Amino acid sequence: QQQVKQSPQSLIVQKGGISIINCAYENTAFDYFPWYQQFPGKGPALLIAIRPDVSEKKEGRFTISFNKSAKQFSLHIMDSQPGDSATYFCAASIMVFSDYKLSFGAGTTVTVRA
Amino acid sequence: GAVVSQHPSWVICKSGTSVKIECRSLDFQATTMFWYRQFPKQSLMLMATSNEGSKATYEQGVEKDKFLINHASLTLSTLTVTSAHPEDSSFYICSSSAGFSTNNSPLHFGNGTRLTVT
Repeated sequence: QQQVKQSPQSLIVQKGGISIINCAYENTAFDYFPWYQQFPGKGPALLIAIRPDVSEKKEGRFTISFNKSAKQFSLHIMDSQPGDSATYFCAASIMVFSDYKLSFGAGTTVTVRA
Repeated sequence: GAVVSQHPSWVICKSGTSVKIECRSLDFQATTMFWYRQFPKQSLMLMATSNEGSKATYEQGVEKDKFLINHASLTLSTLTVTSAHPEDSSFYICSSSAGFSTNNSPLHFGNGTRLTVT
């Protein structure tokens, strides 16, 4: 069964708008939450990651918000650009036991319209 | 530049033949490598975890005799799809790291191999 639930399945945003993707998990042992960006025919690339002792992390136009009590985390893409059009995956892992053995969400296809 | 090189990027083979996919870490020693499978418009499903010099650990439902994994050196892991059938057609992706707990090193993904079995 999917250990990380991701929504929405797809979204369309206008250039300059904000894209928001949400993920939820059940396993409270997860201690590493990365987001990956994948273009068609390519492998995923790490965008940004967060550990549960932090509620928010920002890198450029990408921000992760983390709510430990609700077991939810989200990715915000600010000032969305056409080049951001890709599939985004959230993931989770129990790093202390299994270095990077990731459980991935189902993915969100983001389309940024110019 | 790419730090994980995966080869080939695509391969077409006939049913019943075997196909080998290579995953190399280019500038670091990969203590652990992961192999994923991805169907079109779906998520990545972990198939197995390989550690250099030991047997791979397969996820539930993955046939170890069908998907042979060898991690013979700290820079190379191979996945061999044996007696391939059309249902094995998929996008296979490897990833590797020098280790988070020991080196705080990130996880890198290869660019994937598109396997088509006719």
